[in-house]
Amino acid sequence: AQSVTQPDIHITVSEGASLELRCNYSYGATPYLFWYVQSPGQGLQLLLKYFSGDTLVQGIKGFEAEFKRSQSSFNLRKPSVHWSDAAEYFCALREAGTALIFGKGTTLSVSS
Amino acid sequence: DVKVTQSSRYLVKRTGEKVFLECVQDMDHENMFWYRQDPGLGLRLIYFSYDVKMKEKGDIPEGYSVSREKKERFSLILESASTNQTSMYLCASSGDSLSSYEQYFGPGTRLTVT
Repeated sequence: AQSVTQPDIHITVSEGASLELRCNYSYGATPYLFWYVQSPGQGLQLLLKYFSGDTLVQGIKGFEAEFKRSQSSFNLRKPSVHWSDAAEYFCALREAGTALIFGKGTTLSVSS
Repeated sequence: DVKVTQSSRYLVKRTGEKVFLECVQDMDHENMFWYRQDPGLGLRLIYFSYDVKMKEKGDIPEGYSVSREKKERFSLILESASTNQTSMYLCASSGDSLSSYEQYFGPGTRLTVT
């Protein structure tokens, strides 16, 4: 069965430090993968997506993600975190059809 | 820009009331979705619709129904609200072409049932 796992429930990073949020998926075919961010009390905003081609994808707000088929991973990275990046981050997989399967999310805190 | 709007940001209802949550999208998207979001559980799909008057059950449809009479509008109905339906409800829409596979979300409705 298709699934998305975000191993880290909560991560704290110092402002200016680099960030990597982990995402692992289980899916038989080539996946369509997404990262979303949710600020407190808000809906989800798309950060980036992977459909095919270049395995390193660039997104908004300085985020990037790398698709690694051999590791079934799609980790999100940012070289220098800003306090405004504090939010909850969701990895998602589009299964056959239209629905998305979401991970349970990783909450990012940024310390000064 | 795609815009998905939800009728209320905050809603307080009593147990047993019938509750309507409305969602409207302006991108002519074929697909619309209702999720509920609870701490530690992430987003769980309640229902989705891939066309007018068409609907499919998601992972947790019990206690909910939906209506899609027009392409742009998708309603979630709680026939008899219960306290365990207190949650954040998120609506989303997406297209059918590769360029529009991602889902666009509304701001959410935080529903409290007392």
